[in-house]
Amino acid sequence: KNEVEQSPQNLTAQEGEFITINCSYSVGISALHWLQQHPGGGIVSLFMLSSGKKKHGRLIATINIQEKHSSLHITASHPRDSAVYICAPMEYGNKLVFGAGTILRVKS
Amino acid sequence: KAGVTQTPRYLIKTRGQQVTLSCSPISGHRSVSWYQQTPGQGLQFLFEYFSETQRNKGNFPGRFSGRQFSNSRSEMNVSTLELGDSALYLCASSLGQVYNSPLHFGNGTRLTVT
Repeated sequence: KNEVEQSPQNLTAQEGEFITINCSYSVGISALHWLQQHPGGGIVSLFMLSSGKKKHGRLIATINIQEKHSSLHITASHPRDSAVYICAPMEYGNKLVFGAGTILRVKS
Repeated sequence: KAGVTQTPRYLIKTRGQQVTLSCSPISGHRSVSWYQQTPGQGLQFLFEYFSETQRNKGNFPGRFSGRQFSNSRSEMNVSTLELGDSALYLCASSLGQVYNSPLHFGNGTRLTVT
């Protein structure tokens, strides 16, 4: 069983839709990153959270440490949100483990 | 403030050769971590350095090594290259004094082994 399970693997949405990506993990963690990767490879850390909820613009990330589950929500999705989104729990000691990623395509 | 800089951007090497990749962190960041990304295995953690010391290591063979210099720049080395080492190699930097500092990623070095 993978240490990090992400769903869905692929997601196509219409512009303006509300999007949710889910992440479940089995390892003990000190924090969790949500990463965004565009074609060409560059990765941006969208959120790092260890409890509760964080919001940045149209993006919201939540985490439930007891249930070992995190979600990334995108409100009012836009074609520029098209990217791969990766859940990356951080084990104690700054060691990241990675989900397989969710390929998001937002159509206009 | 300049971002994380990785050089070179692209490399083509032959099986059996060795390669050195470089990562310059954001000014003031003392932690540098390295990751490998392949289509088959996805992203995997290689190792992390802080103040010239390796703090953590992933499950990679000894052919993969790294070091960090006093100016926090880091290099990783892969010896005796294999075809399966073809990958995007990413580094990330953070303040690192405490764990859980936000990570900033470089654009990566794409290594092709033929």
